[in-house]
Amino acid sequence: GQQLNQSPQSMFIQEGEDVSMNCTSSSIFNTWLWYKQEPGEGPVLLIALYKAGELTSNGRLTAQFGITRKDSFLNISASIPSDVGIYFCAGRTDSGGSNYKLTFGKGTLLTVNP
Amino acid sequence: GAVVSQHPSRVICKSGTSVKIECRSLDFQATTMFWYRQFPKQSLMLMATSNEGSKATYEQGVEKDKFLINHASLTLSTLTVTSAHPEDSSFYICSTAQGAGETQYFGPGTRLLVL
Repeated sequence: GQQLNQSPQSMFIQEGEDVSMNCTSSSIFNTWLWYKQEPGEGPVLLIALYKAGELTSNGRLTAQFGITRKDSFLNISASIPSDVGIYFCAGRTDSGGSNYKLTFGKGTLLTVNP
Repeated sequence: GAVVSQHPSRVICKSGTSVKIECRSLDFQATTMFWYRQFPKQSLMLMATSNEGSKATYEQGVEKDKFLINHASLTLSTLTVTSAHPEDSSFYICSTAQGAGETQYFGPGTRLLVL
């Protein structure tokens, strides 16, 4: 089955620093999604990417859909304490039927020191 | 983003009992709902895909007779954990989508603890 490798597993940074995390896949995805999950909550959608090469921003967050369709990265600029949480990438093949399901990466735990 | 609710938010039960978790799509009619399980410090694992009016599609390794899913309306899906055991203790999260290929929006999750 499809596997997503997400790195790094965790990051400890100072407030104000920029952050970058990425996901790579063993196979092609047609959609890449980035979610943030806080303790005891469900994931919240941050950015959705639908086209290879697409670069999309949402405030201080920027994500890109890799040209090969096998990778994606998420950047957070000028981090603040409320950015703390677990960030998950997710891929979807969009080939119909059960292939609309999401495959999740293992997550990146972000800690921001004020 | 869409608003998805889950009830209860947490539940503690005795081993051998059954627990029902509700997932409601509050903003739109969700033809497709997904149920995930998340163990501590791990990622979300899809358990089943639930389509309104039809039988759920279960992922490999998920027992359909143990995890009963009912998607009786376009705004409500339920997951019943039957004869729960301590190893079923986990964080159960649902998501909803307007269609199979549409963006999924997640509920706040239900923490299940089986004693």
